[in-house]
Amino acid sequence: DAKTTQPPSMDCAEGRAANLPCNHSTISGNEYVYWYRQIHSQGPQYIIHGLKNNETNEMASLIITEDRKSSTLILPHATLRDTAVYYCLTPHTGTASKLTFGTGTRLQVTL
Amino acid sequence: GAVVSQHPSRVICKSGTSVKIECRSLDFQATTMFWYRQFPKQSLMLMATSNEGSKATYEQGVEKDKFLINHASLTLSTLTVTSAHPEDSSFYICSAKRLAGGNEQFFGPGTRLTVL
Repeated sequence: DAKTTQPPSMDCAEGRAANLPCNHSTISGNEYVYWYRQIHSQGPQYIIHGLKNNETNEMASLIITEDRKSSTLILPHATLRDTAVYYCLTPHTGTASKLTFGTGTRLQVTL
Repeated sequence: GAVVSQHPSRVICKSGTSVKIECRSLDFQATTMFWYRQFPKQSLMLMATSNEGSKATYEQGVEKDKFLINHASLTLSTLTVTSAHPEDSSFYICSAKRLAGGNEQFFGPGTRLTVL
């Protein structure tokens, strides 16, 4: 897995966009970027993943830089229910896609 | 779609007893299931990877004789914590990958184990 670096915590006002950055400067050409989140005392929830193109689904958008060394997860209209720890991961495709969780970013959405 | 359940959601047991935790993929078949452990205020740590019909692969430092994993079907994997001790108290979480495409893992809700 490529090493990922995320800020330990962020705050966001409800209704605003939450932009969560992730640095993965050592990512290799066949490694995807995955985002999961974990709400307190629950199992992680898959959010989105991408290789090099920007991706969007009903939960979020993923913007990957052209050099693929960093990415940003965007929650377009954050709600209090989006308060969670967000993990950016780059599993190596040759190791049964094992996920190595770092410390993630604790996002606090406030009124 | 892609729902994973775990049973029980929480369990309290006495030291020295064994506890079995079930992980089921409810609406898909899973090629591979993973077991994680999470201590308070820490991140998830992968314990083992299991494939249906074959022996599990354990991460370094995880005792295979203490954490028995059985993956008997494409929808069920079990983790048995044998001779549990208070230091085994933790949040155990499983995940599953779909047989039909995609590398994303879908996680269960977790099982809180407390060993007295």
